[in-house]
Amino acid sequence: GAVVSQHPSWVICKSGTSVKIECRSLDFQATTMFWYRQFPKQSLMLMATSNEGSKATYEQGVEKDKFLINHASLTLSTLTVTSAHPEDSSFYICSALGLAGGGTDTQYFGPGTRLTVL
Amino acid sequence: GENVEQHPSTLSVQEGDSAVIKCTYSDSASNYFPWYKQELGKRPQLIIDIRSNVGEKKDQRIAVTLNKTAKHFSLHITETQPEDSAVYFCAASITGGYNKLIFGAGTRLAVHP
Repeated sequence: GAVVSQHPSWVICKSGTSVKIECRSLDFQATTMFWYRQFPKQSLMLMATSNEGSKATYEQGVEKDKFLINHASLTLSTLTVTSAHPEDSSFYICSALGLAGGGTDTQYFGPGTRLTVL
Repeated sequence: GENVEQHPSTLSVQEGDSAVIKCTYSDSASNYFPWYKQELGKRPQLIIDIRSNVGEKKDQRIAVTLNKTAKHFSLHITETQPEDSAVYFCAASITGGYNKLIFGAGTRLAVHP
């Protein structure tokens, strides 16, 4: 149980284009999902909290118009990196908050999406 | 703001030895402390967690201790094996809703055969 998937696993795009990343909880419902980014050899930095049916909550310093988040259902959240630039290249990881075997505060992580912007 | 400090940043041990990683947190209202293991290029995996109403928790070779007064918690791995080699992250919950976590900087553990 508690499986979270992400798609795509990696993507290469040209500067100025937009990229959409999907995060799905496969065997449980997640009213709350989180989006993180992780630079090489660094920790996970929370970008935003995604809640089903409401607007996402962004962390300080994260541009909401650049990183669009949509949590359309209890099993799907999407992150769209708009007008991507090379500095947006990173490992983007989502997590889902669920009751699947853990407490209400246990986060289960997706496998991550490696974004490279040329 | 809230933060979590983690030490050491790197740890090298011989197979069979024990490894200890320590974290301190700043938010006295934090009540949930998970530990994640991340292998290169892969997702963080929850290995153990502890809540503030418990002082110690053990799962086979892994144990976590929590000292609420001092606001620090530690991960203990006994009888280390080469497959324990990975980056370990501690985290602490942030009050204010949504069960957010703030992560430590990570510890790169290398277990040598």
